[in-house]
Amino acid sequence: KQEVTQIPAALSVPEGENLVLNCSFTDSAIYNLQWFRQDPGKGLTSLLLIQSSQREQTSGRLNASLDKSSGRSTLYIAASQPGDSATYLCAVQAAGNKLTFGGGTRVLVKP
Amino acid sequence: EPEVTQTPSHQVTQMGQEVILRCVPISNHLYFYWYRQILGQKVEFLVSFYNNEISEKSEIFDDQFSVERPDGSNFTLKIRSTKLEDSAMYFCASNGQAEETQYFGPGTRLLVL
Repeated sequence: KQEVTQIPAALSVPEGENLVLNCSFTDSAIYNLQWFRQDPGKGLTSLLLIQSSQREQTSGRLNASLDKSSGRSTLYIAASQPGDSATYLCAVQAAGNKLTFGGGTRVLVKP
Repeated sequence: EPEVTQTPSHQVTQMGQEVILRCVPISNHLYFYWYRQILGQKVEFLVSFYNNEISEKSEIFDDQFSVERPDGSNFTLKIRSTKLEDSAMYFCASNGQAEETQYFGPGTRLLVL
């Protein structure tokens, strides 16, 4: 059974610092990995999707890497801003179409 | 930009009552999903739906749950007899192809008293 873990569970950084969020999964037979942002009490906003054949995906200040063989992905957010404060979730898609989610990393960027 | 919408945003119901949660997926999408998130816990998969039938369901999705696509736009989740433990945020999602980005709606917060 696929298990997805995110460490740390919470992170607090001063504005301008780079953020590094980690995600690990137990079964490397995945189709893709998605990173989401969730604001308190709100829905999930898709940030990036990395296909299993890709090593990296970039969107603006966001960069996500994937090492499928070791079961790891990292989300980098450059030059963090207070507006980046949210919970970041990773999810993997394996056989079938369902996503299996990690528990999230709650990020606070202090002005 | 197209988005997934869900109604209602909040629903309070008594234990044992039936609830129907509604979703309008992105118009040209073919795959539809329901997930839920109990407060403080992980987002959990409930069911996926394609070509007018369930393609996969989790252990949570027992006989009390059903899904329907009654017309060309709506996708509904029905809970026949709600329990206290059904209290959660319910998310609908959709995508155009099975391995593409899943787009999530804003959720329906269900509280069972």
